[in-house]
Amino acid sequence: NAGVTQTPKFQVLKTGQSMTLQCAQDMNHEYMSWYRQDPGMGLRLIHYSVGAGITDQGEVPNGYNVSRSTTEDFPLRLLSAAPSQTSVYFCASRFQGADTEAFFGQGTRLTVV
Amino acid sequence: QQPVQSPQAVILREGEDAVINCSSSKALYSVHWYRQKHGEAPVFLMILLKGGEQKGHDKISASFNEKKQQSSLYLTASQLSYSGTYFCGTVNTNAGKSTFGDGTTLTVKP
Repeated sequence: NAGVTQTPKFQVLKTGQSMTLQCAQDMNHEYMSWYRQDPGMGLRLIHYSVGAGITDQGEVPNGYNVSRSTTEDFPLRLLSAAPSQTSVYFCASRFQGADTEAFFGQGTRLTVV
Repeated sequence: QQPVQSPQAVILREGEDAVINCSSSKALYSVHWYRQKHGEAPVFLMILLKGGEQKGHDKISASFNEKKQQSSLYLTASQLSYSGTYFCGTVNTNAGKSTFGDGTTLTVKP
């Protein structure tokens, strides 16, 4: 049981490049979400999904796209990377409902130069 | 809208107690608490639900005032292993999104 797996762990991009951060979970969780964490700061919700085919915006969605074609996978796409997107990105998943704990991936540390 | 945590940072000696607070401007279904060690992912501690139910860590206690939309995490007889950043997360609907506060950094010294 792998839990939540994020790839890659580290990435350096040039300004204007695009890339996809991968997130996969094997716990059959309906709810998946992406957060970014800037140094010394909290977790900011980018996008979330309550099931396959359903996504919605969080607090800081600009510059990011998501899709959810399967229960297991929830990739995050950076359309045109900017230095302001330098951050650590965490994917999390949980069963739907207010009473369920979230499981986090180990994070992707992204640097945009 | 994200919840507000206080204080931002706490420094303790082993064995001392601390309280971390979390408040929201919206009605809440639940409050979640997580701890993050430096360079690691957040790890679940507790969930507090409307109606008083709690799930989670057996050595950490917390409260949830539904009317005031506030929660407090109580760390008693702190240990070195308690050091880290504590986040509260709030869920505003039964199936809805989780937003987090900015965190409280706890440092426990010998």
